[in-house]
Amino acid sequence: GQQLNQSPQSMFIQEGEDVSMNCTSSSIFNTWLWYKQDPGEGPVLLIALYKAGELTSNGRLTAQFGITRKDSFLNISASIPSDVGIYFCAGQNPEYGNKLVFGAGTILRVKS
Amino acid sequence: EAGVAQSPRYKIIEKRQSVAFWCNPISGHATLYWYQQILGQGPKLLIQFQNNGVVDDSQLPKDRFSAERLKGVDSTLKIQPAKLEDSAVYLCASSLGPLGRGIGEKLFFGSGTQLSVL
Repeated sequence: GQQLNQSPQSMFIQEGEDVSMNCTSSSIFNTWLWYKQDPGEGPVLLIALYKAGELTSNGRLTAQFGITRKDSFLNISASIPSDVGIYFCAGQNPEYGNKLVFGAGTILRVKS
Repeated sequence: EAGVAQSPRYKIIEKRQSVAFWCNPISGHATLYWYQQILGQGPKLLIQFQNNGVVDDSQLPKDRFSAERLKGVDSTLKIQPAKLEDSAVYLCASSLGPLGRGIGEKLFFGSGTQLSVL
């Protein structure tokens, strides 16, 4: 089945630092999505990417849809304490019934 | 706009007992999903409804899990009997239509029900 590999598994950074995380797969996806989950809450959509090579920003967040369609990257600039949480990538492809496949998440902890 | 509502927030049961979760999607959303999120993993789709019909239940353990959406609005997910490995957060999500039909179709999640099976 399709699997998404997210790295790193967790990271502990200083407030103000930039953060990078990525997601790779052996399968091709037509859509890449990045979600954030706070403790005790459901995931919330941050950025959606629909074309290979697409680069999209949402405030301090920037995400890219890899050219091969098998990977995606999320960058957070100038991290702040409220960036703490779990970041999930998710892929979608009509060939697989458009089911969202999620990675295992990257846990972000920020030291203030 | 009210979000996806789920109840209860927490449930603790013993193995072999039964449990039910309830979900009320965002008003007007035709598509409803139940996900299972085991600690340390991403959400995994259990079942997808389009109105009151099942679209995909390929990953639902049908020997113990059942779900219904009788009137095409609210939904319930039941586990009977529960096993230790069912301990997880059960997330309900909804979207206007099936994902992939239009660019920008978005999935909205509820806060989930945290189930502990002892």
